[in-house]
Amino acid sequence: GDSVTQMEGPVTLSEEAFLTINCTYTATGYPSLFWYVQYPGEGLQLLLKATKADDKGSNKGFEATYRKETTSFHLEKGSVQVSDSAVYFCALTQYGNKLVFGAGTILRVKS
Amino acid sequence: GAVVSQHPSRVICKSGTSVKIECRSLDFQATTMFWYRQFPKKSLMLMATSNEGSKATYEQGVEKDKFLINHASLTLSTLTVTSAHPEDSSFYICSARQRGTTDTQYFGPGTRLTVL
Repeated sequence: GDSVTQMEGPVTLSEEAFLTINCTYTATGYPSLFWYVQYPGEGLQLLLKATKADDKGSNKGFEATYRKETTSFHLEKGSVQVSDSAVYFCALTQYGNKLVFGAGTILRVKS
Repeated sequence: GAVVSQHPSRVICKSGTSVKIECRSLDFQATTMFWYRQFPKKSLMLMATSNEGSKATYEQGVEKDKFLINHASLTLSTLTVTSAHPEDSSFYICSARQRGTTDTQYFGPGTRLTVL
């Protein structure tokens, strides 16, 4: 079945550092890919998405590019802030079916 | 746009009682809503998928008689935890998929259920 693998955390960075959170997927077809963010005690917020190969999703300084050849959708941000501290989930869906989530990566940004 | 609300945000109940959680799409029509359960420091576990006007589809291992789901309108779905026990304590999150779309889900803020 379809699956999503994320790098294990927690990831701890200093403010203004460069962020990469790796995400790879396994799917039989051509899924849509997502990054969701969860702040403490809250639900998930859609951060960005990409629906086809080579698409780049971007939002609030975060970017991720749909790489079909490497089946990856790595999340990047050039300069993180303390307010970016949260749990980040990579996910995929196909044909309007259920979302398949990765395990989540905790990001901690220190001032 | 695409806001989903949940009510209540927190609930504490005694063992054996039933608890109802509401999920509403505030500014769009949601033909499909999803209910998830999240354990501490874990990813989300899909419990069931509900389509407006039809019975919910439950994931394997989820007791449909314990977790009653109703999706009576295009903007409201409810999850009722019947005869709750301490092991049902968890963070329950709903999501909604907008009518006419097939991929993006918008999530509610979650409901923290504690069963004493």
